[in-house]
Amino acid sequence: QVQLVQSGAEVKKPGASVKVSCKASGYTFTSHYMHWVRQAPGQGLEWMGIINPSGGSATYAQKFQGRVTMTRDTSTSIVYMELSSLRSEDTAVYYCGRDLSLLGPDYWGQGTLVTVSS
Amino acid sequence: EVVLTQSPDTLSLSPGERATLSCRASQSVSVNYLAWYQQKPGQAPRLLIYGASSRATGIPDRFSGSGIGTDFTLTISSLEPEDFAVYYCQQYGSSMTFGGGTKVEIK
Repeated sequence: QVQLVQSGAEVKKPGASVKVSCKASGYTFTSHYMHWVRQAPGQGLEWMGIINPSGGSATYAQKFQGRVTMTRDTSTSIVYMELSSLRSEDTAVYYCGRDLSLLGPDYWGQGTLVTVSS
Repeated sequence: EVVLTQSPDTLSLSPGERATLSCRASQSVSVNYLAWYQQKPGQAPRLLIYGASSRATGIPDRFSGSGIGTDFTLTISSLEPEDFAVYYCQQYGSSMTFGGGTKVEIK
C-alpha cells in the first residue's frame, strides 16, 4: 500500500533553515509528482510547490520563491523540502502529498510540525 | 492566483441529514482540476473527490461532487458520525490553491 512517512518534529530559531523528508513506498517513486502543503495552527491548507521525482525539477508557489528548495533522492525514494530564513509565521505542520495525475495530492504523509521560536 | 471561497464557514447538522457545501472560484476552473478533501483534527487531509465529481478510492457513495465554471458543490447525502470534520476544496491550474474550509459540526 502507498505510504508516505515524514521526518520528526523540529524546533528552529528565527533565521535558521529546516529540511523535512518524506519517504515513499508502495508505488513506483518516479511515476508520481510530490506536493508540499503546510498548515499553520488552526488555519487552512497552503500549497508550497511540487517536485517531479523523475527528473528532479520543481515548481514553487510564488510566496515561497527564493526560500524553498525541493529535492529528491531516487536511490532511497525520499523527497526533501528545505525552507530557509525561517520566521515565526512559518510555524506549521508540513505535509508531503503524492500527486494524482497533476490533479492534486491523493496520498498524504502524516505531517511534520515545525516550530520557529527564539 | 485563483481564490476559492467556501461557504458556509460552519454547518451545524444532525446525523442522517444532508450536507451541502459550496466552493466559489474567482475565475473559471477546469472541472478536471477541482478536488475536495476531508480533514479531521490531528490528521492529514483525505482526498474525497477529484475532477469535480469523481470519488477517490474507497470513498462512500454518500459523498458526491458537482459543478462547473466557478461554482462547485460537495454533497453528503446522509451524514454519518464519522463525517463531522472540516472540508476543503482545491484547484490546480498553474498554481494550486485551497478554499478556507467548511466545518461540519454536530448540531
